Amino acid sequence: EAGVTQFPSHSVIEKGQTVTLRCDPISGHDNLYWYRRVMGKEIKFLLHFVKESKQDESGMPNNRFLAERTGGTYSTLKVQPAELEDSGVYFCASRMGPINEQFFGPGTRLTVL
Amino acid sequence: AQKITQTQPGMFVQEKEAVTLDCTYDTSDPSYGLFWYKQPSSGEMIFLIYQGSYDQQNATEGRYSLNFQKARKSANLVISASQLGDSAMYFCAMREGWYTGNQFYFGTGTSLTVIP
Repeated sequence: EAGVTQFPSHSVIEKGQTVTLRCDPISGHDNLYWYRRVMGKEIKFLLHFVKESKQDESGMPNNRFLAERTGGTYSTLKVQPAELEDSGVYFCASRMGPINEQFFGPGTRLTVL
Repeated sequence: AQKITQTQPGMFVQEKEAVTLDCTYDTSDPSYGLFWYKQPSSGEMIFLIYQGSYDQQNATEGRYSLNFQKARKSANLVISASQLGDSAMYFCAMREGWYTGNQFYFGTGTSLTVIP
């Protein structure tokens, strides 16, 4: 069974540009999460989808970040316009129903110059 | 305040020896879950072990065990018989509350190096 996949694995953009990250959860997982790790710091929660609905978006840093999950399958996280402090590794995780553990993807490393 | 604290930025262990990675947590919710993940250099976070706050016994999964000391709010990961493939970053995480959908809080991680 395929795990959580994320695309791209790396992205280097200039300040002010737009970047869209994609996450494909494990098939059948209705819960999808986005997290971010800024250099040397802890991994922090951004938001949680249940199917296509945003269950909790309390971790989204500001309105430059927009997450969508069309049809309850894959999800995208768009940063527009990107700022220097947005650099970090963005992780996606998925979880099925009442299961405790979240399954993480390999992350997208975003560098904003 | 930090909900998860991992005080060991880096650890070294000899191959075949056991190693303990420290994790303390902070919550006032009586219901919570504790998790450990491994992140090898390839980047993917691999789930290792889970402990529920009401679980009476320490969780074990193969060579991994979780030393759960509720009164001290600690959830240390013990890896027995270390292997070279155990070299990786290890993250402790907590989910507060009974709802399995709640977010995870992570520590800053411990980098483990296994020496041949």
